[in-house]
Amino acid sequence: DIQMTQSPASLSASVGDRVTITCRASQGIANYLAWIQHKPGMAPRSLIFAASSLQSGVPSRFSGSGSGTDFTLTITSLQPEDFATYYCQQYSAYPPTFGQGTRLEIK
Amino acid sequence: EVQLSESGGGLVQPGGSLRLSCTASGFTVDTYAMIWVRQAPGRGLEWVSALSPTRGTTFYADSVKGRFTISRDDSKNTVYLQMNSLRADDTAIYYCAKDRTRRFLEWYFDSWGQGTQVTVSS
Repeated sequence: DIQMTQSPASLSASVGDRVTITCRASQGIANYLAWIQHKPGMAPRSLIFAASSLQSGVPSRFSGSGSGTDFTLTITSLQPEDFATYYCQQYSAYPPTFGQGTRLEIK
Repeated sequence: EVQLSESGGGLVQPGGSLRLSCTASGFTVDTYAMIWVRQAPGRGLEWVSALSPTRGTTFYADSVKGRFTISRDDSKNTVYLQMNSLRADDTAIYYCAKDRTRRFLEWYFDSWGQGTQVTVSS
């Protein structure tokens, strides 16, 4: 199975900050990479697919980049509703696998 | 608008069974692949099972193979996860999700339900 490693595991930031989360795949996955936002007690929300394509309805302050093994999720001008846990997921090879998550907390 | 609603979770003893349901609206479950993903306490997301839209091919994580069965009822627009021989490490919130691409299992999930809690304990 392809291992997905995220960093950092947790991150403290303030409203208005710019933050970057990284995700590394144990082998090349081209651009078959998704980013998912999850808040406790709520449905997960898919933000980005194909490494950089924004899911419909997702604000433009979210962006993704990367290809091969290294990927980033960037959130510019953090909003209060952005504090959540973020997961990357590869869908290049079966089975699909997720990173361990990055918890974004309010400073 | 796409909506997914899970039900059927609860408390069950080790070795017991549960059937989870995922009722969809805004699309038909026979045209998109449907997936179950779980989150154990303090852990991240883990893919559990998938059902392809056309041939109805099923897929299972190694951790549940032989114990869980995914199926669907097109007349009810509902997908099920039959869970047998449950173990303590199956304790998790179970989410259903919809694949993005019509009539093809892409493995990118564009819509999710709110989940149903399964607790396996004596």
